[in-house]
Amino acid sequence: QVQLQESGPGLVKPSETLSLTCSVSGGSISANTYYWAWIRQPPGKGLEWIGSIYYTGDTYYNPSLKRRVTISIDMSKNQFSLNLKSVTAADTAVYYCARLVVEVGRGGMDVWGQGTTVTVSS
Amino acid sequence: DIQMTQSPSSLSASVGDRVTITCQASQDMSNYLNWYQQKPGKAPKLLIYDASNLQTGVPSRFSGSRSGADFSFTISSLQPEDIATYYCQQYDTLFLTFGGGTKVEIK
Repeated sequence: QVQLQESGPGLVKPSETLSLTCSVSGGSISANTYYWAWIRQPPGKGLEWIGSIYYTGDTYYNPSLKRRVTISIDMSKNQFSLNLKSVTAADTAVYYCARLVVEVGRGGMDVWGQGTTVTVSS
Repeated sequence: DIQMTQSPSSLSASVGDRVTITCQASQDMSNYLNWYQQKPGKAPKLLIYDASNLQTGVPSRFSGSRSGADFSFTISSLQPEDIATYYCQQYDTLFLTFGGGTKVEIK
């Protein structure tokens, strides 16, 4: 059973870089039927997709965040990472990692991490 | 990008009621539309994928359908444990977008 776990600092200063890692256990991050995604949820608000990565390194980013976001993958560690630079208070949110199925006959983000709260404050 | 307009933003219904939520796509798209349930303090849970397919283990009172540009999500008989916020999400392209969410409460 695949599980995802986010890790990283819970507090980031304004203008600095937010860095999170999602560790994948119980399955391989290099499987060709999945993308790996980051999603965030500001307090009391809805879900916002940040970006996704394929095991080949192909990435897709939310256009509204594209200038500040980098997602990378480390197959040797079976994990993928999020870097969001120049953060402001508006980046305060719960950050989730998730697995997006892209296989015929299956679909959706079927496995999620528990989420990690990141607060941007000095 | 495809934008998803979800309605209503909230609803209140009685136990046993039929509840329907709608998402309208901003442009023509395939059936790559998913529905999630999120309870407070928890990660979202996939209920329906590709518009109408029930995720394994999800109760059959949940269903999804499509009519033209409108995607619908239905709870056939609302249960107390269904209190949550529900989101649609499209992946017609790999630029994903979510609907704004519908908070479902018990009357």
